[in-house]
Amino acid sequence: QKEVEQDPGPLSVPEGAIVSLNCTYSNSAFQYFMWYRQYSRKGPELLMYTYSSGNKEDGRFTAQVDKSSKYISLFIRDSQPSDSATYLCAPNQGGKLIFGQGTELSVKP
Amino acid sequence: KAGVTQTPRYLIKTRGQQVTLSCSPISGHRSVSWYQQTPGQGLQFLFEYFSETQRNKGNFPGRFSGRQFSNSRSEMNVSTLELGDSALYLCASTPGQTATDTQYFGPGTRLTVL
Repeated sequence: QKEVEQDPGPLSVPEGAIVSLNCTYSNSAFQYFMWYRQYSRKGPELLMYTYSSGNKEDGRFTAQVDKSSKYISLFIRDSQPSDSATYLCAPNQGGKLIFGQGTELSVKP
Repeated sequence: KAGVTQTPRYLIKTRGQQVTLSCSPISGHRSVSWYQQTPGQGLQFLFEYFSETQRNKGNFPGRFSGRQFSNSRSEMNVSTLELGDSALYLCASTPGQTATDTQYFGPGTRLTVL
C-alpha cells in the first residue's frame, strides 16, 4: 500500500463548477500537507499548504486536512479552464515530499 | 529572480549506458532535491543535497547517485541504465533552512532509455 493514495481521475467538469480533490495517507506522523499543480510539460508548482488539521483558504482554493481520518482535500470554487492541470497532494516528511499519484483535472468552457 | 533550470531538457540513451543530469537552483538556495516521475509510480523522491552533503535519501538503488557543488548546482548520475529508468527527472530547490521551505521545481529532464 502506498503512503499517499490519490484518485488519478481524469476528472472533467464544466466551467464554474466546484471541484473536490482528495487524498488519503497512512503515516500519522505527517504534519505539513502540500498541494502542487502541474501543467503539461512543466514542473509542479506549490498551490498552498496546511499544517496539522484544519482549513486554509486562498482565493478560490481551500485546503482541508482531517488528521483523525488521515484525509486531505482541495476544493476549487468557480473553476476556470486555466485550472486544467494535474493536482498532486504531498505530505512533507522532513523535507521529503511524499506525492500522491496526482488527479488530472479538465475544466470545459 | 531566475527559476530552477535543468539541462538537458531531453535525453535519449540506450540500456547499459550512464547519464548525468544537471540542476541549477534559484540564486541563494542551498538545498536541491531530485525526484523521478513516471506514469506508473508517480513522483518519487530520490535524494536531497544541502551544502554539498546528502541530507536525505529515498529508496532507489545505488545506480542513482548525486552530488552538489560549492555553488549549489547539483548533478545526478544514473549508471547502467535500464528501460524502467525512462522518466521525467525533476529537481527542486529551497533555501534549505527548514524542512518545510517551499520546494521550487524546475521543468525537468525527460530521459528515454531504448
